[in-house]
Amino acid sequence: EDQVTQSPEALRLQEGESSSLNCSYTVSGLRGLFWYRQDPGKGPEFLFTLYSAGEEKEKERLKATLTKKESFLHITAPKPEDSATYLCAVQARDSSYKLIFGSGTRLLVRP
Amino acid sequence: SAVISQKPSRDICQRGTSLTIQCQVDSQVTMMFWYRQQPGQSLTLIATANQGSEATYESGFVIDKFPISRPNLTFSTLTVSNMSPEDSSIYLCSVASGTSEQFFGPGTRLTVL
Repeated sequence: EDQVTQSPEALRLQEGESSSLNCSYTVSGLRGLFWYRQDPGKGPEFLFTLYSAGEEKEKERLKATLTKKESFLHITAPKPEDSATYLCAVQARDSSYKLIFGSGTRLLVRP
Repeated sequence: SAVISQKPSRDICQRGTSLTIQCQVDSQVTMMFWYRQQPGQSLTLIATANQGSEATYESGFVIDKFPISRPNLTFSTLTVSNMSPEDSSIYLCSVASGTSEQFFGPGTRLTVL
């Protein structure tokens, strides 16, 4: 069964304190792994797609990496506006385009 | 990316009634999906809305409870039928076109009393 597990559930950082969020997955043939950001009361905002092990993507203070079993979202020198829930999802290489989501990591960055 | 809107943004409904949620995109898209996000939980796919044919439902979701329409390439509706408090959730539509990335609407927050 395809599955996504994110850790930690919640993370509190001081402004400028770098850290990483983990996304472990099992999927029967990976088409892509996706990272989203979700603010309270809003829909998920697309951040990155990773397709193969060794791939890396960067956007401002965020960097996503992928191995055959997990993905990391590295946050460098975070700011309070980076506070949000970060969701990881996988898509299997089958005929559907279903996204299977993890439960997310709630990030709080304190000034 | 496409601009996606949903109506209503929120609603409070009585049990036993039905609510239809609309999803409108500002450009034609290949695929449209409906997800549910229950309180404190992550997103679960309800169904894929197929243009001109019946939606494809995920395990645990049935057409009688969640009828879906997609009359064209920019619009879809999800109806939550015969609602109970357990249907209180955020309902989200997403779209994809030509790539595997899905982009989400702002969501509809439903409370059933």
